[in-house]
Amino acid sequence: QKEVEQDPGPLSVPEGAIVSLNCTYSNSAFQYFMWYRQYSRKGPELLMYTYSSGNKEDGRFTAQVDKSSKYISLFIRDSQPSDSATYLCAIPSASSYGKLTFGQGTILTVHP
Amino acid sequence: DAGVTQSPTHLIKTRGQQVTLRCSPKSGHDTVSWYQQALGQGPQFIFQYYEEEERQRGNFPDRFSGHQFPNYSSELNVNALLLGDSALYLCASSAGTAEAFFGQGTRLTVV
Repeated sequence: QKEVEQDPGPLSVPEGAIVSLNCTYSNSAFQYFMWYRQYSRKGPELLMYTYSSGNKEDGRFTAQVDKSSKYISLFIRDSQPSDSATYLCAIPSASSYGKLTFGQGTILTVHP
Repeated sequence: DAGVTQSPTHLIKTRGQQVTLRCSPKSGHDTVSWYQQALGQGPQFIFQYYEEEERQRGNFPDRFSGHQFPNYSSELNVNALLLGDSALYLCASSAGTAEAFFGQGTRLTVV
């Protein structure tokens, strides 16, 4: 079983839709949870990170962590064509912040 | 602030050759990590450098080695290149927290 699993999609939605991106993980010791956005031919860009369970909101983006079911989500409200990218969940090692374990990435396309 | 910078952006090498990739971390960051990202996959951790020492290593063979300099910049070296080493190589810097910032990557093609 992979430490972090993510549905690769692809996901195609109309502009203005609410998007839900999800990952599951296996190690209950994980404490931090991160979402990166990666445009084609670019490096990943840190979108949001959360500590432990609960929600965190930043503009149109909401990150949610449910540690009881080892499930993390990223919601995008009022999606825009500029949101079209690959979204990667990433979890730092419980023993070393530097080592990130990534999901496979979900390819999102928002069409006008 | 220039952020994390990597060079070169693209590289084509022949099987069996050696390659060196370079990374300058974000200002104020002292920790550099390297990742390999194959097409359609998430990045895979190669190793991390802190205080000029390799602190942690992922599941990569010894053909992959690195170095960190006193100014915190770093190099990734890959020897005896294989076709399967073709990927996007990413450098990330951090400063003692979980937040890691990535460069734009070096796309390596092995032919």
